[in-house]
Amino acid sequence: EPEVTQTPSHQVTQMGQEVILRCVPISNHLYFYWYRQILGQKVEFLVSFYNNEISEKSEIFDDQFSVERPDGSNFTLKIRSTKLEDSAMYFCASSGGRDTGELFFGEGSRLTVL
Amino acid sequence: EDQVTQSPEALRLQEGESSSLNCSYTVSGLRGLFWYRQDPGKGPEFLFTLYSAGEEKEKERLKATLTKKESFLHITAPKPEDSATYLCAAFSFSGGYNKLIFGAGTRLAVHP
Repeated sequence: EPEVTQTPSHQVTQMGQEVILRCVPISNHLYFYWYRQILGQKVEFLVSFYNNEISEKSEIFDDQFSVERPDGSNFTLKIRSTKLEDSAMYFCASSGGRDTGELFFGEGSRLTVL
Repeated sequence: EDQVTQSPEALRLQEGESSSLNCSYTVSGLRGLFWYRQDPGKGPEFLFTLYSAGEEKEKERLKATLTKKESFLHITAPKPEDSATYLCAAFSFSGGYNKLIFGAGTRLAVHP
């Protein structure tokens, strides 16, 4: 069964460092997303991406964050100058259509900022 | 402000003891109501989509229903493998973009 894969599964970084989280969406999907879940809190939308550009982003997704699809398979989330409050589980998701909440999520990348 | 509220926060059931989880929502531009299952340390796994009041969807021991203000996830004769956090999410066009607004989830524990 096709699945979304994410790497790394866990990353520990020092405050102020840059982090890149990687995702391989399901191959025939066209819409890609990043969500995050701070420990004990709700899953929150960060950004959606289609046709090599950001289609939607939340208030959380400020200039510290960027996304990229550097090749035909990977989808990355870059966090510049990490802060303590960036510690969370980051989920990548993909879908076959835009107007759907039926997203396929990866297993997540746990980011710990010290 | 758009909001999705789930209750109870946690639910402990004996195997075979049926129950219901509640999701109430106040969302503008609602396009659909989704249920996901999340196992510890994993990403949400899609279960159901509901688009209109009165709609019902079933999958094995789970049945999801929708009214104009809330959704229920009914669990019939649960088994220990049904233990997970169940997330409700409203798919909304709000604030200028489409997004899934998740509730905090209900942690379900089914004991043999």
